[in-house]
Amino acid sequence: QVQLQESGPGLVKPSETLSLTCAVSGYSISSGYYWGWIRQPPGKGLEWIGSIYHSGSTYYNPSLKSRVTISVDTSKNQFSLKLSSVTAADTAVYYCARASSTSCCSRFDPWGQGTLVTVSS
Amino acid sequence: SSELTQDPAVSVALGQTVRITCQGDSLRSYYASWYQQKPGQAPVLVIYGKNNRPSGIPDRFSGSSSGNTASLTITGAQAEDEADYYCNSRDSSGNHRGVFGGGTKLTVL
Repeated sequence: QVQLQESGPGLVKPSETLSLTCAVSGYSISSGYYWGWIRQPPGKGLEWIGSIYHSGSTYYNPSLKSRVTISVDTSKNQFSLKLSSVTAADTAVYYCARASSTSCCSRFDPWGQGTLVTVSS
Repeated sequence: SSELTQDPAVSVALGQTVRITCQGDSLRSYYASWYQQKPGQAPVLVIYGKNNRPSGIPDRFSGSSSGNTASLTITGAQAEDEADYYCNSRDSSGNHRGVFGGGTKLTVL
């Protein structure tokens, strides 16, 4: 059974970099699939941030591309998100999820439980 | 196009059938995935591909697609189906990019 768990600071100051890690258990990232990050501002809908293939190829939401970096560490079986120059608009619950084996950006299953990141001084 | 449009809210009487729709140009090329999200919980995939249900999803959930519209149908809605539902697909502009609909709040009366 594949499980994902996000971790990272729950509070980030404006202009700083948000950093989150998604630990994967029950499946080896190096075996395949795309892996993604999705966020949800309080009371709002879901927004795809970006995805990474097990080989390291990355795909980003154009609206965030200049600030986002997603990387994978197959030795630790985890992948990470960095979002720079954050503002209050980046306050959201951040989810990691496994995407499909053939598409970077759909069929997300399973999801992590999500972690709330608040941007505030 | 990079947008998926959903009705903000839909209601259904207990035991009746409800259809939740999602419109967007990308749906002419790619199937939608559908997610159910209950308050305080992570989304759960309920339908993907032409009409596929992950293990553990009741068979009252089904999916269909025509032109630029994808639909999620719940046949015999139960009280526990009250939730937010989101569609998702890959953008059809030629870029590898994901898009989500704005979500539909389903109320079971």
